[in-house]
Amino acid sequence: KQEVTQIPAALSVPEGENLVLNCSFTDSAIYNLQWFRQDPGKGLTSLLLIQSSQREQTSGRLNASLDKSSGRSTLYIAASQPGDSATYLCAVRSIIQGAQKLVFGQGTRLTINP
Amino acid sequence: GAGVSQSPRYKVAKRGQDVALRCDPISGHVSLFWYQQALGQGPEFLTYFQNEAQLDKSGLPSDRFFAERPEGSVSTLKIQRTQQEDSAVYLCASSFRAGGDYEQYFGPGTRLTVT
Repeated sequence: KQEVTQIPAALSVPEGENLVLNCSFTDSAIYNLQWFRQDPGKGLTSLLLIQSSQREQTSGRLNASLDKSSGRSTLYIAASQPGDSATYLCAVRSIIQGAQKLVFGQGTRLTINP
Repeated sequence: GAGVSQSPRYKVAKRGQDVALRCDPISGHVSLFWYQQALGQGPEFLTYFQNEAQLDKSGLPSDRFFAERPEGSVSTLKIQRTQQEDSAVYLCASSFRAGGDYEQYFGPGTRLTVT
C-alpha cells in the first residue's frame, strides 16, 4: 500500500529565506506527483505536477524535484514571503492503487514571519 | 462555472441525522472524486466517478456513506446516521478526462461537524 510522508510537519522561518519541504513515498510505481497548497478553510490549489518521467518542474519561485527510484520529492521555495504561509501537501498517483486516486501526505504547515 | 463548487460550505448535524453534500464539478469534466480530510491530516480518497459510473468506492468508510452522480455532472455524497467520527472536511475534485495524467481541481470543501 502506498504511503506518503512529509517532513517536517511544521516549519517557521523568517521572510526572505529559501526553504525546502520534503515528501517521501513507499512505492516508486507512480504516474505522477503533485504539490498542493491549502489555506485555512479553503480547498487545495495545485502548485506543480511532475510526471513520472520528469525530474523537476518550476513555477516562479517554486521548484519541485522528483527522484522516483528513491521515493522522494522536494519543494524548494525561494525568497519566502509572508503570503507563502499555508499548508503544503504532496500527493502521488500510484499505479498499483489505481491511477485515479491521489494518495496524500499529512502536509507541512509553513509560517513565514515578517 | 469557473471552478468546482460545493454546498453547503458548513454543516452542523446532530448525531444520527442524515446529511447530503453537493458537488458541482467544472463543466465538461468527466472524472469526479470525493475525499475526506480530518483535522490536521491530508485528504483521504473516498470514491471516484467517470461520468455517471462509480468506478471506485474503496475508500468509503462504511455502508452509511453513499455517493451518486446520476447524470454525469453534479454529485451528492450522502451520510446516513451521522457519527462524531464523520466530522471532517469533505473535498470534491474533478478532472477533464480519466487517466493518471490529468490534473484534479479541488473545490473549497464542506466542513461537517457532528455534535
